[in-house]
Amino acid sequence: NAGVTQTPKFRVLKTGQSMTLLCAQDMNHEYMYWYRQDPGMGLRLIHYSVGEGTTAKGEVPDGYNVSRLKKQNFLLGLESAAPSQTSVYFCASSLDRDPPLHFGNGTRLTVT
Amino acid sequence: DQQVKQNSPSLSVQEGRISILNCDYTNSMFDYFLWYKKYPAEGPTFLISISSIKDKNEDGRFTVFLNKSAKHLSLHIVPSQPGDSAVYFCAASGPGGYQKVTFGTGTKLQVIP
Repeated sequence: NAGVTQTPKFRVLKTGQSMTLLCAQDMNHEYMYWYRQDPGMGLRLIHYSVGEGTTAKGEVPDGYNVSRLKKQNFLLGLESAAPSQTSVYFCASSLDRDPPLHFGNGTRLTVT
Repeated sequence: DQQVKQNSPSLSVQEGRISILNCDYTNSMFDYFLWYKKYPAEGPTFLISISSIKDKNEDGRFTVFLNKSAKHLSLHIVPSQPGDSAVYFCAASGPGGYQKVTFGTGTKLQVIP
């Protein structure tokens, strides 16, 4: 039982490049989330999904897109990376709308 | 506007003593509060929670206290152990479920053997 798995663990991009972060969960959870963690800012919600085929904007959605084509997967895309998107990205899932969240181990992204 | 504040970025405590981590919030609509623990290179893991209808919740060495009038909660760890050294995040959610949760900035706890 892997829980929440994020791929890749590290990535370096140049400004303007694109990439997709993959999140997979094997707990049959309905809700999935993408957060970013920046120094002194805590975790901030980028986008979330309340079920397969649904997505919604969180607190800081600009510059990101998401898709949830399968219940177990939640993809986060950066179409044109910017240095301001340098951060640690965490995916999380929950059984329903209530806590607790189960987090992956994060992806450290650097945009130069 | 930081609605959940952890004003102490770091805390050092001797092994065996009590660790007290504090959290203040400003949004009176928050009705559920949680603490997460995070080790380096790992994701946060859920530690303990409390509903606004309670003022205390205990789980082993961990106790969370909620003072709604002061909009303040605290996490007590007794006794503290070196394995407790981690970053602790306070989080709060209101009506609307987990998509409305707000996290604090974290407090790094170091337990000295």
